[in-house]
Amino acid sequence: GQNIDQPTEMTATEGAIVQINCTYQTSGFNGLFWYQQHAGEAPTFLSYNVLDGLEEKGRFSSFLSRSKGYSYLLLKELQMKDSASYLCAVRPSRGSGTYKYIFGTGTRLKVLA
Amino acid sequence: DTEVTQTPKHLVMGMTNKKSLKCEQHMGHRAMYWYKQKAKKPPELMFVYSYEKLSINESVPSRFSPECPNSSLLNLHLHALQPEDSALYLCASSQTVAGQMNTEAFFGQGTRLTVV
Repeated sequence: GQNIDQPTEMTATEGAIVQINCTYQTSGFNGLFWYQQHAGEAPTFLSYNVLDGLEEKGRFSSFLSRSKGYSYLLLKELQMKDSASYLCAVRPSRGSGTYKYIFGTGTRLKVLA
Repeated sequence: DTEVTQTPKHLVMGMTNKKSLKCEQHMGHRAMYWYKQKAKKPPELMFVYSYEKLSINESVPSRFSPECPNSSLLNLHLHALQPEDSALYLCASSQTVAGQMNTEAFFGQGTRLTVV
């Protein structure tokens, strides 16, 4: 089976830094993706990791450790507009010849003034 | 153009109705996906099409019937749904180029379906 776990909710203050963790156990691994989803809207792509280490993209960074089945998304200089759900998605092995994206449980982040 | 367009945005249907959800993309992506998302839950994969052929069916009930008429269009035909099928239905697409790993999925805005 596929298990991808995230904390359900987090709260942080405007201007602060927050780290959202994701742990996964999947049948193979071909990349981990982070998405942001505002209520009632489509998920939008934030970052991608396939090798171990840190990927930085402006205020957002994502880290991956394949041996530990672990990733985190780091959000710096939090803004009110960052209040959203953050979804970790893993692309397992292409067993059937087709890639698919399996989403974690999602983390609802609330940014307070 | 990095858009995935879904119609309609909202749909209310009775349990005896037949309706269809539509999805369109012009990014040249040859993989297309249907996801179902309930409130405060993550998207759940339903179907994957690769090169217009059904590649993955995640044990979805037969009252949901997908169709991929060409490389830009994806439909989801609905028949005899139940109230618990009410959800946001998301369409997504991605590249399938072998060796290119950084191929994120692009999502449409979704169709909010209510079954009464």
